Amino acid sequence: DAGITQSPRHKVTETGTPVTLRCHQTENHRYMYWYRQDPGHGLRLIHYSYGVKDTDKGEVSDGYSVSRSKTEDFLLTLESATSSQTSVYFCAISELSSYNEQFFGPGTRLTVL
Amino acid sequence: GIQVEQSPPDLILQEGANSTLRCNFSDSVNNLQWFHQNPWGQLINLFYIPSGTKQNGRLSATTVATERYSLLYISSSQTTDSGVYFCAAMNTGNQFYFGTGTSLTVIP
Repeated sequence: DAGITQSPRHKVTETGTPVTLRCHQTENHRYMYWYRQDPGHGLRLIHYSYGVKDTDKGEVSDGYSVSRSKTEDFLLTLESATSSQTSVYFCAISELSSYNEQFFGPGTRLTVL
Repeated sequence: GIQVEQSPPDLILQEGANSTLRCNFSDSVNNLQWFHQNPWGQLINLFYIPSGTKQNGRLSATTVATERYSLLYISSSQTTDSGVYFCAAMNTGNQFYFGTGTSLTVIP
């Protein structure tokens, strides 16, 4: 299994509070991704990173920011959480030398009350 | 982005039956993957298959890139095959686009 961990695994928070989710990898892969999974939508890309300090937006980036100061860590921040951001969040990694095959972390279930 | 459509959306099988899941995509791809999401929510890689055919035990997959579809075959299904099967495609850039999945239930 790819060495990907996510923390926390579960979080309940209130509307308007800031939230940071962490993805940590031990594979030294260049690319890291954040997705959200909602019923009826499959997985949708929020942001991704193609190197330290290099990030780009995905299809559902509004309300989210990311940072990557080290190869192994990719942080997803909700500056002011809203109930519409209640979801399961998955981190993934990939590497061009491995054909960009993506491997997923275990997910974080976030509930915003 | 790429539009990815999966069919059928739901499937119920008797244990031991075979099934075919389909994934249609709207543009040429340089990466296509199949995943199984088990009942605990974990996403498991099944196949990396932008073209051609691969087999792994009771599962096999075929992608016909020129016709923009991929098929996942499950033979002799088992209850542990239950879950949701996702197809995801990528073309230029580094964005994966997922279908909405096929929910499979295998009953004993």
